[in-house]
Amino acid sequence: SQQGEEDPQALSIQEGENATMNCSYKTSINNLQWYRQNSGRGLVHLILIRSNEREKHSGRLRVTLDTSKKSSSLLITASRAADTASYFCATAEGSTLGRLYFGRGTQLTVWP
Amino acid sequence: GAGVSQSPSNKVTEKGKDVELRCDPISGHTALYWYRQSLGQGLEFLIYFQGNSAPDKSGLPSDRFSAERTGGSVSTLTIQRTQQEDSAVYLCASSLGMMMARETQYFGPGTRLLVL
Repeated sequence: SQQGEEDPQALSIQEGENATMNCSYKTSINNLQWYRQNSGRGLVHLILIRSNEREKHSGRLRVTLDTSKKSSSLLITASRAADTASYFCATAEGSTLGRLYFGRGTQLTVWP
Repeated sequence: GAGVSQSPSNKVTEKGKDVELRCDPISGHTALYWYRQSLGQGLEFLIYFQGNSAPDKSGLPSDRFSAERTGGSVSTLTIQRTQQEDSAVYLCASSLGMMMARETQYFGPGTRLLVL
């Protein structure tokens, strides 16, 4: 069953704008990861944030985690047309080590 | 430094036939995972293997699905008597391990299965 739920389902912005995607989950987690998927094929790992961390940065990506609200956000700054893709959050739970629970994703479109 | 590879890239089969999907993980990765993604959906966990431990098969949707991992490396996912609802992209991933700092999963390009 799915754990994470991304919001919004679709996001359309202009190049140079920032894109923010949110993820909510239901149970306690070990870590939360964000992945990117182009054209319905393989996923690319973007960033992992652990349950004891609140914020992480990687290049133009910024991820926050609020375990009290069971939510995370992914911010892409200064977006580019090449950022167009589906973005998924995935959670890892302590009770089911190894498996990831994915949401349905946010489809981001960045217009040049 | 090759990534996870999967074959075939695409598979079209007739309802009732058996199919085998192959995954070659990254060399040295002890953990291997199978997921499937139906149209417009997120990924659904199927099974994972970790070293010599018994696999976690809790995500397999029916007894028509099975998977093996031979020699701790290559894995094969078999679907017997395929049904139309089995149509999906089947994704394989591998990781160094499952404990902290080793758990990032790297995904292959997937096999797109269409059951007619």
